[in-house]
Amino acid sequence: GAVVSQHPSRVICKSGTSVKIECRSLDFQATTMFWYRQFPKKSLMLMATSNEGSKATYEQGVEKDKFLINHASLTLSTLTVTSAHPEDSSFYICSATGYTEAFFGQGTRLTVV
Amino acid sequence: GQQLNQSPQSMFIQEGEDVSMNCTSSSIFNTWLWYKQDPGEGPVLLIALYKAGELTSNGRLTAQFGITRKDSFLNISASIPSDVGIYFCAGPNAGGTSYGKLTFGQGTILTVHP
Repeated sequence: GAVVSQHPSRVICKSGTSVKIECRSLDFQATTMFWYRQFPKKSLMLMATSNEGSKATYEQGVEKDKFLINHASLTLSTLTVTSAHPEDSSFYICSATGYTEAFFGQGTRLTVV
Repeated sequence: GQQLNQSPQSMFIQEGEDVSMNCTSSSIFNTWLWYKQDPGEGPVLLIALYKAGELTSNGRLTAQFGITRKDSFLNISASIPSDVGIYFCAGPNAGGTSYGKLTFGQGTILTVHP
């Protein structure tokens, strides 16, 4: 079946630095991908919609300058957490939609120290 | 915005027992989805429901789309240790059909004791 791959699976960074997370659709083209954030034992919250070749659409309350999204090709979307702070520590998950369902990446655990 | 209220929040059961969890919403959903998330992984789709009243099975899992389109339940029969994880209901935002922009329930944490 369709696979969505995220990289890295875990990252630890210092406060103030930026971190890039990649999301790839491995065997299908995705003009749209989605980024979610999940706190421990909590639900997934949609952050933004990544659109190939155009600007991302952010959900209310999500800072677009903090969470930069680039969807440069039909198989790759990137999320950059800029000037990261400890409160940005979280589990970030991307998804891409196939014909009948959304496929999720394995997630990226970000820890900001 | 839309909210999905999922219950129970957690369950501790013995292997072999049946499990039931449900989701309710104040607004109508055109599609109900049930996902399972293993620790440190992304969610994996278990069952998708597309029509009010629909009852669908996937192995030991059975899910139903409520007649009012505002609720759904998931049953797991004869649980086994690998059923451990977090189960989420989800639906497309704003009553749409896009499978990408999803609203998730709060999740049910399932623990199965051997």
